[in-house]
Amino acid sequence: KQEVTQIPAALSVPEGENLVLNCSFTDSAIYNLQWFRQDPGKGLTSLLLIQSSQREQTSGRLNASLDKSSGRSTLYIAASQPGDSATYLCAVRLKSGGSNYKLTFGKGTLLTVNP
Amino acid sequence: KAGVTQTPRYLIKTRGQQVTLSCSPISGHRSVSWYQQTPGQGLQFLFEYFSETQRNKGNFPGRFSGRQFSNSRSEMNVSTLELGDSALYLCASSWGQVGTAYEQYFGPGTRLTVT
Repeated sequence: KQEVTQIPAALSVPEGENLVLNCSFTDSAIYNLQWFRQDPGKGLTSLLLIQSSQREQTSGRLNASLDKSSGRSTLYIAASQPGDSATYLCAVRLKSGGSNYKLTFGKGTLLTVNP
Repeated sequence: KAGVTQTPRYLIKTRGQQVTLSCSPISGHRSVSWYQQTPGQGLQFLFEYFSETQRNKGNFPGRFSGRQFSNSRSEMNVSTLELGDSALYLCASSWGQVGTAYEQYFGPGTRLTVT
């Protein structure tokens, strides 16, 4: 059974700081990995999708890396801003069929960027 | 292009009642997935529908059911509500099935409170 762990559970940083959020997964046979952002009481916004054959993806100040062999992904946020405050979730999509053919989410990292 | 819409946004029900939640996917998307989000368990997969057929199911009791219509709109039903069913229910749509490379786009969710 795939398990996804995100560390730390919460992070508070001053504005302007670069930061890294971590995601680890137990089953390396993933199809892809997706990072989401969730604002309080809202749905999820997709940030980056990394296919299993890729090593990283970039969008603006965000960079996500994937190391399947070690079961890890990181989300790097450059020059953080108060508007980046949210919960960040990673989710892995398993390659095999049947009941594993779905997204499994971590519990998220609550990020607070202080002005 | 309109995003994923979910109705109602908020719902209060009493134990033992049943409830139906609705999800309209992004135009052209054929896959709809449902998730339950609680503070304790995080985001958990309920089921996925593609072309009006349930393709995958998570580990939830039979009280949780769903269906998809020919226009890809989906409904989920929870019968005999329990206090533990209080959660944010999220719907996500994608062009292809979840186990493919297509990204999922989430709606704002329905907040269900069972008293």
